This record gives sequence, structure tokens and C-alpha cells, in this order.
Amino acid sequence: DAGITQSPRHKVTETGTPVTLRCHQTENHRYMYWYRQDPGHGLRLIHYSYGVKDTDKGEVSDGYSVSRSKTEDFLLTLESATSSQTSVYFCAISDWQGKGYTFGSGTRLTVV
Amino acid sequence: AQKVTQAQTEISVVEKEDVTLDCVYETRDTTYYLFWYKQPPSGELVFLIRRNSFDEQNEISGRYSWNFQKSTSSFNFTITASQVVDSAVYFCALNIKNSGGSNYKLTFGKGTLLTVNP
Repeated sequence: DAGITQSPRHKVTETGTPVTLRCHQTENHRYMYWYRQDPGHGLRLIHYSYGVKDTDKGEVSDGYSVSRSKTEDFLLTLESATSSQTSVYFCAISDWQGKGYTFGSGTRLTVV
Repeated sequence: AQKVTQAQTEISVVEKEDVTLDCVYETRDTTYYLFWYKQPPSGELVFLIRRNSFDEQNEISGRYSWNFQKSTSSFNFTITASQVVDSAVYFCALNIKNSGGSNYKLTFGKGTLLTVNP
């Protein structure tokens, strides 16, 4: 009902394999974000997008890439997953001034 | 530096006690937004409140109240007569512009785990 969905919700993968997480919105919001949540760290920004094909790095972007080929989809890719990337990943969307944020339900990723 | 500090990592109270969660922020911007989110054990992030930098009025919503003081760069959250269902991680967050000054992003504190015991 919030207009934002993440897939998959859970994933277990092996070290060294590529992984792509998807965030899909139906709100037509300009901004989309990927965060990771780890105990003791809160939520930290990985990458964000301010328009189609417009992206920028957050504070923990190493090892991650993103793409946004259309307004509604924002993909997060781990080119070669490592155990340190085991985390819960949240996608968020916001309107153009960033005054309101809606979060997805999260993706729990385990890298073994 | 622009950041959010939640100094209380964990708080434990007994039901019906009042509890205040502290949030201190740093920013160079004169226009910004502050948020509080709740994350219950189920894991989703629940929006509680947004406050802009020009509105220092305190706000009350049922058992929840927020005290915003620009002079001390604080945005504290009080739960009155706490209940077991209030048990959750609470995050304070600051909406800031990037270094280029054109785009917004949300920076979170590390969160405070509140446990309300019956």
C-alpha cells in the first residue's frame, strides 16, 4: 500500500557471486535510496538516485553499484558478494525536496 | 560535519514509566528537516514525525511528544506512560543536502533500543 516494494525479501548467496536487489515504486518520486542496516551502525546510505540515470554515492558505497534506467526501478548490485555485505538492505523513496520518505520492507541478505 | 547522535544505545523501563530518547544533530544548513522513525521487532521502519528547521513548536501526539530546540541542536522524543508495544528501536534522522547543494538525503543516528517491561 506504501507504493514501494523490494525484492527479494530474503536471499542467501555465496561469497564471490553477483547479487542484484530490486526496488520498485509506483509513486513517481524523483529520489530513491539504498541503505544498509547493521547492528550498532543504524542505517547507512549506500547510493541514491535523483533521477533516471542520475546517481551518487553515499557513505558506504564501496563494493556496490546501482542503476536506474526508469523512474520506478532502482537496482543495487553487489558485483562479488563478501561476508561483510551480509546485512539488511532498505530502499526508500522521497519527493523532490526530500521532505517525506517512504521505506520498503527490507531485504535480508546473507553471504556465506 | 553533518551528523546525528543518539547517545543512548539501550534503555530499559517498566511499563507506565515516562522515557525520553535523546537526539543531537549537527548541520551547516539553515534549512533542514528532522525525523523520528520507529522500528519494531518485525523490522519495518515506521514514520513518527517530521519537523522543519523553522518550526520550533513542540508537538504532542497522544502519548508521544517531541521537543525541538535549535539552540542546543536537539530533537528529543518523550513517550509518556510507556507500554510494552513501545518496545522498538527508535531512529532520529536529519535531512541534508549533498555537497553540491542540490539533492537531499537522509542521515540516521545509530538508534536507541527501547525495551518496556511489563
